[in-house]
Amino acid sequence: EAEVAQSPRYKITEKSQAVAFWCDPISGHATLYWYRQILGQGPELLVQFQDESVVDDSQLPKDRFSAERLKGVDSTLKIQPAELGDSAMYLCASSLRETQYFGPGTRLLVL
Amino acid sequence: GNSVTQMEGPVTLSEEAFLTINCTYTATGYPSLFWYVQYPGEGLQLLLKATKADDKGSNKGFEATYRKETTSFHLEKGSVQVSDSAVYFCALSDNAGDDKIIFGKGTRLHILP
Repeated sequence: EAEVAQSPRYKITEKSQAVAFWCDPISGHATLYWYRQILGQGPELLVQFQDESVVDDSQLPKDRFSAERLKGVDSTLKIQPAELGDSAMYLCASSLRETQYFGPGTRLLVL
Repeated sequence: GNSVTQMEGPVTLSEEAFLTINCTYTATGYPSLFWYVQYPGEGLQLLLKATKADDKGSNKGFEATYRKETTSFHLEKGSVQVSDSAVYFCALSDNAGDDKIIFGKGTRLHILP
């Protein structure tokens, strides 16, 4: 069964450093999402792509976060510089029609 | 704006007990409703969904009915198992899941053998 792949699974970094997360959606899925899940909370959307275009990035802190999906397939989410409050799980999801499929996530700890 | 409210956990039950996790929503229009489950160390998995009023979603013995009159989508299971221990998220979407999903805060479920 096809799955959404994410790497790394875990990342520890110091504040002010740059970090990057990678996501490979299920083949053929045009829509890709990045969510942030703070411990004890539900996921919140950061950015949504339709193919290579950003559809919604209204909740993305653009002063430090950036996301790209250059060829409309895999995607990278970057944080620079990382802050203590960025410690969270970063989830990627993709969808073809009605159902969003989630990857295992990248757990980020900022020290 | 749209929002989801679900009962706070943790919920602790004995094996074979009846489960209800309450979920209510606020939305304009006619959202689609979902229950996602997150097992320890794993990503979110879609458990069930309903796209219009009075629809019943079901999967793995879990059920939830879309109640527009009470804006609710409560999750139920008649006999829980230890393997059901996980965090359950109620969620809604404005466009049948192809738009951003708004999640509740999650309810942690512990099932004791």
